[in-house]
Amino acid sequence: QSALTQPASVSGSPGQSITISCTGTSSDVGGYNSVSWYQQHPGKAPKLMIYDVNKRPSGVSNRFSGSKSGNTASLTISGLQAEDEADYYCCSYAGSSLNWVFGGGTKLTVL
Amino acid sequence: EVQLVESGGGLVQPGGSLRLSCAASGFTFSSYSMNWVRQAPGKGLEWVSYISSSSSTIYYADSVKGRFTISRDNAKNSLYLQMNNLRAEDTAVYYCARVLLRTPGDYWGQGTLVTVSS
Repeated sequence: QSALTQPASVSGSPGQSITISCTGTSSDVGGYNSVSWYQQHPGKAPKLMIYDVNKRPSGVSNRFSGSKSGNTASLTISGLQAEDEADYYCCSYAGSSLNWVFGGGTKLTVL
Repeated sequence: EVQLVESGGGLVQPGGSLRLSCAASGFTFSSYSMNWVRQAPGKGLEWVSYISSSSSTIYYADSVKGRFTISRDNAKNSLYLQMNNLRAEDTAVYYCARVLLRTPGDYWGQGTLVTVSS
């Protein structure tokens, strides 16, 4: 199972909005409404930001939103803040036995 | 408060074995499926293994199948990963994570580093 495709890096200025894409196939992203997004600061554990394409866990800012069209999912962060600077990973359920596949990660830089 | 605390990592020679543990607290451990996910230095996340709440269903990534064994002890609120015949490419931080439906982890531990090197 190949990793999902994410851009290596994105950047934006404080207050702006950015979108990170995550492209898979009909066997993962396109086949299930089970895409999740994780934020990871250096040396820290991943933190769940979005699950089931567009649901936010309790405590996650509503500046974070998710969507999906076909085989591509997207994470949008609005009103960028300095603390949003981190690595972001998408993940999709890929069916029983294959289970989960992650993207390669995107480094977000807040200028 | 949900807490997951991994332990057991360290330096091991190629071909060696290591057993990781994950101690869970703050939730009803026996009601949740669990995952192991790893991250090689400077690399992305990779799902390793899944175990259902009752241990009745277990899955492994192809990269570790036949070498790693996942298990749990619900009486001790603990998750385990027995790693045999370790290779250099198994070097990574290993995280345990609580499964949320089809999401690989809603809560993650802080990770334990496994280094395979001679």
